[in-house]
Amino acid sequence: ETGVTQSPTHLIKTRGQQVTLRCSSQSGHNTVSWYQQALGQGPQFIFQYYREEENGRGNFPPRFSGLQFPNYSSELNVNALELDDSALYLCASSPRQGAYGYTFGSGTRLTVV
Amino acid sequence: GEDVEQSLFLSVREGDSSVINCTYTDSSSTYLYWYKQEPGAGLQLLTYIFSNMDMKQDQRLTVLLNKKDKHLSLRIADTQTGDSAIYFCAAVNDMRFGAGTRLTVKP
Repeated sequence: ETGVTQSPTHLIKTRGQQVTLRCSSQSGHNTVSWYQQALGQGPQFIFQYYREEENGRGNFPPRFSGLQFPNYSSELNVNALELDDSALYLCASSPRQGAYGYTFGSGTRLTVV
Repeated sequence: GEDVEQSLFLSVREGDSSVINCTYTDSSSTYLYWYKQEPGAGLQLLTYIFSNMDMKQDQRLTVLLNKKDKHLSLRIADTQTGDSAIYFCAAVNDMRFGAGTRLTVKP
């Protein structure tokens, strides 16, 4: 069992650029959620994918988009990066829409300069 | 305001019990969770409780659920310095987190 793996672990981007963050779900998990965690705050829900379809979205603008692949791995794309996008981005997977809890990855630390 | 409310800070002495409280808004969730986050790391699932239960015990952890008041608590018995972290509660249908409770355990 490999757990949830996120890549890269750290990233520095310039304002206005685009970024893609990747997540490999835990084996057998078909649901993945993405969160943004700013320093000193709790994780903020971005969106969730269940069997390749978006299954819920938080209060984030359309420049935050995602994909889930047939193997249930996932991507988070952010266009037109802003300084406030600097945060820890967490991916979490679950076997069945949250049943028995979500397994979180260690996150990608994104810094926008 | 926050969908999930928790006290921001809790400080206890090693060996004492810690009680972390949470008030949530989503009444339809079948599961409620407690997560732990250590510095620089992701969230670790500590325990969960089904919404039809009032209490769940898991080694040093006791979870109490009051559905009427939408109140969830986590009690850590014999708190150790390794328990120092930020603790979050969440409901499965909502999966929204508050700011968390920072637990500091003093030797």
